[in-house]
Amino acid sequence: SQTIHQWPATLVQPVGSPLSLECTVEGTSNPNLYWYRQAAGRGLQLLFYSVGIGQISSEVPQNLSASRPQDRQFILSSKKLLLSDSGFYLCAWRPAGTGGYEQYFGPGTRLTVT
Amino acid sequence: DQQVKQNSPSLSVQEGRISILNCDYTNSMFDYFLWYKKYPAEGPTFLISISSIKDKNEDGRFTVFLNKSAKHLSLHIVPSQPGDSAVYFCAASGLGRSQGNLIFGKGTKLSVKP
Repeated sequence: SQTIHQWPATLVQPVGSPLSLECTVEGTSNPNLYWYRQAAGRGLQLLFYSVGIGQISSEVPQNLSASRPQDRQFILSSKKLLLSDSGFYLCAWRPAGTGGYEQYFGPGTRLTVT
Repeated sequence: DQQVKQNSPSLSVQEGRISILNCDYTNSMFDYFLWYKKYPAEGPTFLISISSIKDKNEDGRFTVFLNKSAKHLSLHIVPSQPGDSAVYFCAASGLGRSQGNLIFGKGTKLSVKP
C-alpha cells in the first residue's frame, strides 16, 4: 500500500531564517506530487506541483520554492521566511496516468514564523 | 475569483439526522468533483467523488449529488455521527488533466451533536 510522510510535524522559525520541508511517498512510482498551504481560516491553496523528477510548476508567486530531486521526494524551501509564510503545509500525491483525480494527503507540517 | 465556493462556513446537526453540505462552482469546464474530510492538525482524507457524467454517487452513509445545470453539488451524510465532526472541503478538477490539479473551496465545519 502507498504511504506519504512529511516532516517535521511542527516547526517554529524566526523571520528571515531558511526553510526546508520534506515529503516522501512510498509504494508507488512516478506519482504526481503537490504542495498546498492552509492559512488560518482559509481553504487549501495549491503552491507547487510536479509531474516528474526535476519538473516543478508554480501556481502562486511567493517566497517559496520546490524541488523534486528523486521520484518520490518533494521538498519545499525558502531562503528567508516571512511572517505571512505561517500556515499548515500539506503534501499530496496522485497516481500518474489514472482517470480519477483523487489526491492523497500527508499529515502536514504546522509552520509558525515568529 | 473563487471558482469553488462553500458558502456555509459552519453547520451544526443532531446525531442521527441528515447533514447536507453544499458547494457551488463557476467553471463549466470542471468535470470531476471530490469531497475531503479534515480533522484539526491532520491532512485531508478523500471521502467520495463524482464524475460529471453522473448525477449521484453513493458510498455507505455518504452520497454526493451533482446538478450540472445549476453548477452545484452537495454531500449528504445519513445518519450523522459525532465522529463526522470535521471540516469538509469540496474540490473540482478537469482543467489540467495531466497534472490532476484540484481547486478547493474554503471548507465547511460540521459539528454533530450527541
